[in-house]
Amino acid sequence: AQSVSQHNHHVILSEAASLELGCNYSYGGTVNLFWYVQYPGQHLQLLLKYFSGDPLVKGIKGFEAEFIKSKFSFNLRKPSVQWSDTAEYFCAVIYGGATNKLIFGTGTLLAVQP
Amino acid sequence: DTGVSQNPRHKITKRGQNVTFRCDPISEHNRLYWYRQTLGQGPEFLTYFQNEAQLEKSRLLSDRFSAERPKGSFSTLEIQRTEQGDSAMYLCASSREPGNTEAFFGQGTRLTVV
Repeated sequence: AQSVSQHNHHVILSEAASLELGCNYSYGGTVNLFWYVQYPGQHLQLLLKYFSGDPLVKGIKGFEAEFIKSKFSFNLRKPSVQWSDTAEYFCAVIYGGATNKLIFGTGTLLAVQP
Repeated sequence: DTGVSQNPRHKITKRGQNVTFRCDPISEHNRLYWYRQTLGQGPEFLTYFQNEAQLEKSRLLSDRFSAERPKGSFSTLEIQRTEQGDSAMYLCASSREPGNTEAFFGQGTRLTVV
């Protein structure tokens, strides 16, 4: 079945620490990959996306993600987190097809302590 | 605000009652998606429209659920004979196709069935 796994459900970091959130998907064909963020009380917003080309993708607010096809992974990274990065992060995948429906992971709740 | 708008933001209803939610997508977006999110989970796809045509429905969408997009603009999601298990956040998203463009999400309607 098409699915997305996020390994970390809760992450607590101090400001300036580095962040890496894991994401793996289950399908070996064509995929489009996304990371969404949901700040407290706000709607889901796109952080970054990968469709093709350079597997290292830069997003907003200093986030980046690397697509590693051989590992079916699309991990999110940020070298130095800030308190304002406290949010829930969702990895999502569009598996090959016409619908463009997103399959989401269960999310990772990140708390950054000042 | 030119984003995706959902109404109401919150709905409390008694079990067995019918409820209807509305989604107004971004005006030039021809695709509209409904997702459901429960606590501790990522959003799950329910259904999507290309203009006024409903092109896919998830198995999660029981026969008590119906969605419409009569003029290819706003959409409604109705739940008949609500059950406690229907309690969730109902999210709407829209995008412009063709092309793998970003889906923009609304803030959701939180349904509580008591």
